[in-house]
Amino acid sequence: DIQMTQSPSSLSASVGDRVTITCRASQRILTYVNWYQQKVGKAPELLIYSASTLQSGVPSRFSGSGSGTDFTLTITRLQPEDFATYFCQQSYGTPRTFGQGTKVEAK
Amino acid sequence: QLQLQQSGPGLLKPSQTLSLTCAISGDSVFSNSASWNWIRQSPSRGLEWLGRTYYRSKWLHDYASSAEGRITINPDTSNNQFALQLNSMTPEDTAVYYCARDQRAGPDFWYFDLWGRGTLVTVSS
Repeated sequence: DIQMTQSPSSLSASVGDRVTITCRASQRILTYVNWYQQKVGKAPELLIYSASTLQSGVPSRFSGSGSGTDFTLTITRLQPEDFATYFCQQSYGTPRTFGQGTKVEAK
Repeated sequence: QLQLQQSGPGLLKPSQTLSLTCAISGDSVFSNSASWNWIRQSPSRGLEWLGRTYYRSKWLHDYASSAEGRITINPDTSNNQFALQLNSMTPEDTAVYYCARDQRAGPDFWYFDLWGRGTLVTVSS
């Protein structure tokens, strides 16, 4: 199985900050990475697919990059509604696997 | 309206069988650009993919090795839905269970773009 390792597991930030979350795959997976946002009590929602393509309706302050084994999710100018948990997920192979999540909290 | 509607019990005793159903609206269980998945989430195991069913001229299934032998995911074509059965439940299976669509984007990219609301399943004697 492909392991997805996210860092950090949590971070504290303020509105307006730039936030960066990283995800490392246990093997090369080209750009087969998706990013999700999850709020408390809700299902995850797709933000970015194929490493850098913004899902329709997602604000442009979210961006993704990377290929191979290392991937990054960036939120520029953090907004109050962005405090949530973020997950990466690989779609290179089966089983689909997720990172353990990064909780973005208010400083 | 495009959505997945989950149903099923939330409380089980050890050794019982979990049965959950996911009704599809706005798409077809026969879609050749999607697969129909069950994913669970717990504090100890995070987001864990359990398995999927999908139609490619015939019905196909894939299951997580951790659940192999006690999991079945089947389509219900008459009602445009799919179902999860997980046997021999233990307290370690306590989690929020989600159904989700894994949708193909372009030639080779897939993503979970549609999720059910989740069912908290508690296994306790």
